[in-house]
Amino acid sequence: QSALTQPASVSGSPGQSITISCTGTSSDIGTYNYVSWYQQHPGKAPKLMISDVSSRPSGVPDRFSGSKSGNTASLTISGLQTEDEADYYCSSYKSSNTLVFGGGTKLTVL
Amino acid sequence: EVQLLESGGGLVQPGGSLRLSCAASGFTFNIYAMSWVRQAPGKGLEWVSGIRGSGGGTYYADSVKGRFTISRDNSKNTLHLQMNSLRAEDTAVYYCAKVRSSITILGGMDVWGQGTTVTVSS
Repeated sequence: QSALTQPASVSGSPGQSITISCTGTSSDIGTYNYVSWYQQHPGKAPKLMISDVSSRPSGVPDRFSGSKSGNTASLTISGLQTEDEADYYCSSYKSSNTLVFGGGTKLTVL
Repeated sequence: EVQLLESGGGLVQPGGSLRLSCAASGFTFNIYAMSWVRQAPGKGLEWVSGIRGSGGGTYYADSVKGRFTISRDNSKNTLHLQMNSLRAEDTAVYYCAKVRSSITILGGMDVWGQGTTVTVSS
């Protein structure tokens, strides 16, 4: 299965907003609303930040939001905080009952 | 407290086998689909396999199809991954994860274990 495409890195200053894109195809993001976003700090397990394109689990700050347009999903973090510095991965259900992840984006908070 | 605890990782020679287990607690295990996700050293996340809450449907990434088998014992709240014909490229930290929604099989995963390390090397 081909991975979803994410930028390798993004950066922003505290208080700013950033957006991470995740591009797939009509076989995954374009057809299904099962896009999720995960945050992973070094040496830690991933943490679910967004599921079903835009649904935030309890405990996730509302600074994190998700959206989708066509074959591309996006994660926006507003009011950046230093603790947001981490790797972020998108995932999507893909036809034929499989799940595919993006390659990951390293967020640096300057 | 909702918790997943993996075990069974270790060092194995190419061509060998290993069985991973994941003990679940703090939630109604049999109504949630579960998945295994792995992460090779310095690399990104890769979905490996998923299974319905009932155990009646199993799904695999092409990279492991025919070599790995996912199963669950709902009477013991335990998830397993039998890994055969292991290759160097299977070296990774293996996480078990719970799907957030009880009606989704391969959706967002809201509970993750701490991971167990599998190293395939001679």
